[in-house]
Amino acid sequence: AQKITQTQPGMFVQEKEAVTLDCTYDTSDPSYGLFWYKQPSSGEMIFLIYQGSYDQQNATEGRYSLNFQKARKSANLVISASQLGDSAMYFCAMRESYTGTASKLTFGTGTRLQVTL
Amino acid sequence: GAGVSQSPSNKVTEKGKDVELRCDPISGHTALYWYRQSLGQGLEFLIYFQGNSAPDKSGLPSDRFSAERTGGSVSTLTIQRTQQEDSAVYLCASRRRGREGGYGYTFGSGTRLTVV
Repeated sequence: AQKITQTQPGMFVQEKEAVTLDCTYDTSDPSYGLFWYKQPSSGEMIFLIYQGSYDQQNATEGRYSLNFQKARKSANLVISASQLGDSAMYFCAMRESYTGTASKLTFGTGTRLQVTL
Repeated sequence: GAGVSQSPSNKVTEKGKDVELRCDPISGHTALYWYRQSLGQGLEFLIYFQGNSAPDKSGLPSDRFSAERTGGSVSTLTIQRTQQEDSAVYLCASRRRGREGGYGYTFGSGTRLTVV
């Protein structure tokens, strides 16, 4: 079974608009972490935002926020005021433990975001 | 160094040859992970090191793939008898033990392997 599911292979958004990228996850571990990374065409993996399973508040980092709905097992990324430079692949990932073999990140298949004028 | 360093950045090899990909993690980072990203795909886990030992090799796709880590630092991923389906970007990430939260994982820029 897929541990991380990203159902949107591609998304378009107009500059200055907000966009939501979907991510659902599957784990039975009570302690886990959820990540979003941006991968521009240059290929580097840029960390955007993190949400721990015990965090009470939704994470925010500048224009990025994570809409964490624990009961639904979803961790959607919201980008506000989109900019042309936001055009990239976006990956959702999960860590099921801080230590040991489960500390590896499991990635979804990604969403390609295109910001248009 | 300041970041995770991978070399070479690009490698073109003939089918059937062996290749070695190198990852130099951030000093003091005890955990090291190798991933593979095929064209247009997500990141596929290959192997995890804690120190010099590899408790999780579950992602290695075949016995042509092996990896080692020495001195708790540099890691080498070796692919023997390369096949065209091995063409991908190979990414390395490291993490300091006890470093929690999202900032703990640092990725290298990857090695783009092309098998012709």
